[in-house]
Amino acid sequence: TQLLEQSPQFLSIQEGENLTVYCNSSSVFSSLQWYRQEPGEGPVLLVTVVTGGEVKKLKRLTFQFGDARKDSSLHITAAQPGDTGLYLCAGAGSSYKLIFGSGTRLLVRP
Amino acid sequence: GAGVSQSPSNKVTEKGKDVELRCDPISGHTALYWYRQRLGQGLEFLIYFQGNSAPDKSGLPSDRFSAERTGESVSTLTIQRTQQEDSAVYLCASSLSITGELFFGEGSRLTVL
Repeated sequence: TQLLEQSPQFLSIQEGENLTVYCNSSSVFSSLQWYRQEPGEGPVLLVTVVTGGEVKKLKRLTFQFGDARKDSSLHITAAQPGDTGLYLCAGAGSSYKLIFGSGTRLLVRP
Repeated sequence: GAGVSQSPSNKVTEKGKDVELRCDPISGHTALYWYRQRLGQGLEFLIYFQGNSAPDKSGLPSDRFSAERTGESVSTLTIQRTQQEDSAVYLCASSLSITGELFFGEGSRLTVL
C-alpha cells in the first residue's frame, strides 16, 4: 500500500514568516501534485512535478520533488493570510490512482 | 456547467437508511474519482473509474459501499445501511487522464444520525 505522510499536521505562523511543508513516502511516484483546499470547497491544483529533483516556483511558493521521487516539499516565502488553507500532496503510483497525504493545515495570522 | 457538480450538497439521514450521492463530471473527462474526507482530515481514496470501468475498488470501506458510472459521465456512490462512522464529506473529481489534474466538486456532506 502506498502511503504519503505530511508534516507538520498543523502550522500557525505570523504574516511575513517563511515555512516548509513536507510530503514523504517509502514508495516511488511517477508524479506528485500539490493541492490547496479552503473550507467548504474541493481541493484546487497548485502544481504537478514529474522529474526527480525538479523545482517549480509559483510566485512565493516553491515546490521540489525529491531525486528518488519518494518525497516532496512546499516552501512558502513571506506567508500572507490568503495562504491559509489545507495543503495536500497527492502521488500517482504504479496503479495510477492518486493517493493523497493527510494534509497540512496552515493558518497565517495577520 | 463548466465544473464538477455534486448532489446533494448536504444530506442528513438516519442510521440504517440507504443514500445515493451523485457526481456530474466535466464533459470529456474520462477519469473519475471518489474520495472521503472526515472533518479536519485528508482525502481517503474510495474508487476511481476509467471510462465506465472501475480498475481499483480497493478503497471502498465495506460491502455497504458501491459505485457505478454510466455513459462515461455521471457516477453514483451508494451507501447502504448507513452507520454514524459514514458521516463525512464525499468528494468527486474528474480528470482528462488518470494522472492529470483533478478537478473537484464541492462535495456532498453526509451526516448520519
